[in-house]
Amino acid sequence: DAGITQSPRYKITETGRQVTLMCHQTWSHSYMFWYRQDLGHGLRLIYYSAAADITDKGEVPDGYVVSRSKTENFPLTLESATRSQTSVYFCASRGTGKETQYFGPGTRLLVL
Amino acid sequence: SQKIEQNSEALNIQEGKTATLTCNYTNYSPAYLQWYRQDPGRGPVFLLLIRENEKEKRKERLKVTFDTTLKQSLFHITASQPADSATYLCALDYNAGNMLTFGGGTRLMVKP
Repeated sequence: DAGITQSPRYKITETGRQVTLMCHQTWSHSYMFWYRQDLGHGLRLIYYSAAADITDKGEVPDGYVVSRSKTENFPLTLESATRSQTSVYFCASRGTGKETQYFGPGTRLLVL
Repeated sequence: SQKIEQNSEALNIQEGKTATLTCNYTNYSPAYLQWYRQDPGRGPVFLLLIRENEKEKRKERLKVTFDTTLKQSLFHITASQPADSATYLCALDYNAGNMLTFGGGTRLMVKP
C-alpha cells in the first residue's frame, strides 16, 4: 500500500548538472502533478499530466522537463540545474472526476 | 491570475480554544476550495473541500465556511489540541479543476 512515493528524498547536485526526480503512484490515478515549495511562495505548480503521454505546463515550468510514458510514473528532469531550483519538490496525484490531491513525501533538492 | 492570501504570521492559541484561519482570494470565485494540512518535512494532506454553493462544511472538530461575496474562506478547529499544530494550506481550483492554486499557508501552534 505504497500510495505515492518519491525518490530520492534528498539530493545535492551542482549547477549545470542534469537531475531527475522520480514519482510513482500505485492507485492508477489519471492526473499527476509536480510542485515546488519555497519559503514565501508556497506550493507552485510546475507541470501536470492528465494521462499517459499528456502533459501541460503549470505556473513555473521553465528549466524543467516531464514525461509520462506510464500512468504510474511521472519523472521530473532539471536539464541543467541552477541554484534557483533549490527547493522542496512534491509530486501529487488524483483520480479522474475527483478533486482531492494526494501528495508524496517530497524531495529536498540542493543545487550548489 | 488568481491570487490567494493566507496570514503568513503564525497563529498561537491555547489548547481547548478555537483556532480560526483565513483564506482570501482575488478575481473569480472557484467552483470549490480545499484545505490541506502540512506537517514539517511531509507532503500536504487533504482535510476538507467546500463547493461554491455550500456555505459551511463540517468534519469532526473542523469547520469550513465559504463566502463568495467576500471572496473568503474561514477554517475553524474547535477544542484545539497540541497535535493540531501544523501549517494549513488553502487551495482553489484553477483551469476547470485541472490545477489547484495554493496559498502560502498559515502555521498554527497550539500550546498545552
